[in-house]
Amino acid sequence: GGIITQTPKFLIGQEGQKLTLKCQQNFNHDTMYWYRQDSGKGLRLIYYSITENDLQKGDLSEGYDASREKKSSFSLTVTSAQKNEMAVFLCASSIDWGSSYEQYFGPGTRLTVL
Amino acid sequence: GDSVTQTEGPVTLSEGTSLTVNCSYETKQYPTLFWYVQYPGEGPQLLFKVPKANEKGSNRGFEATYNKEATSFHLQKASVQESDSAVYYCALSDLSGTYQRFGTGTKLQVVP
Repeated sequence: GGIITQTPKFLIGQEGQKLTLKCQQNFNHDTMYWYRQDSGKGLRLIYYSITENDLQKGDLSEGYDASREKKSSFSLTVTSAQKNEMAVFLCASSIDWGSSYEQYFGPGTRLTVL
Repeated sequence: GDSVTQTEGPVTLSEGTSLTVNCSYETKQYPTLFWYVQYPGEGPQLLFKVPKANEKGSNRGFEATYNKEATSFHLQKASVQESDSAVYYCALSDLSGTYQRFGTGTKLQVVP
């Protein structure tokens, strides 16, 4: 078995601030994903990475940067936090880049912007 | 592009009653279809997936049939328990072949 760890669990930021979320997996999976979860909007893909140092934009990449410097880790940066923004950011991984593979999710980072 | 539409929640049921969560999809390909479940405080986890049309997936008493003609993948359970309270997501493998596209989720609350 394996686990996905996301840090921090809760993140409070100020408007305009640059904020970084981190994700680690010990499944030895090739592909990793970042999703944003908003009430009533489901899971929306921000970035994904099919291997170390690869980055692919999802539907919601504007306002975000990502980095995959190691196979086991994938970080997401909110480039300029928006006032009153509240969302949960979920990291996931899958064994390979094919979309038919099961995704394993972390518990999420809950972002609040004051 | 590909899309998934599912029952809008929240859905509140009494223990022992039956559940149907509707899921319809649009795509130009032959996708793999998924149901994920998310319990409070956790990330989503796979409930089951079905790669082929006309086949059924099942797990923990939940089931869904991949209906290619109707482009549907409705989730059903004959008798729900309080422990089934969660958010359920329908998803399909995207046309790109590299990621999955999720519906908006259906929150289920089961009351005693």
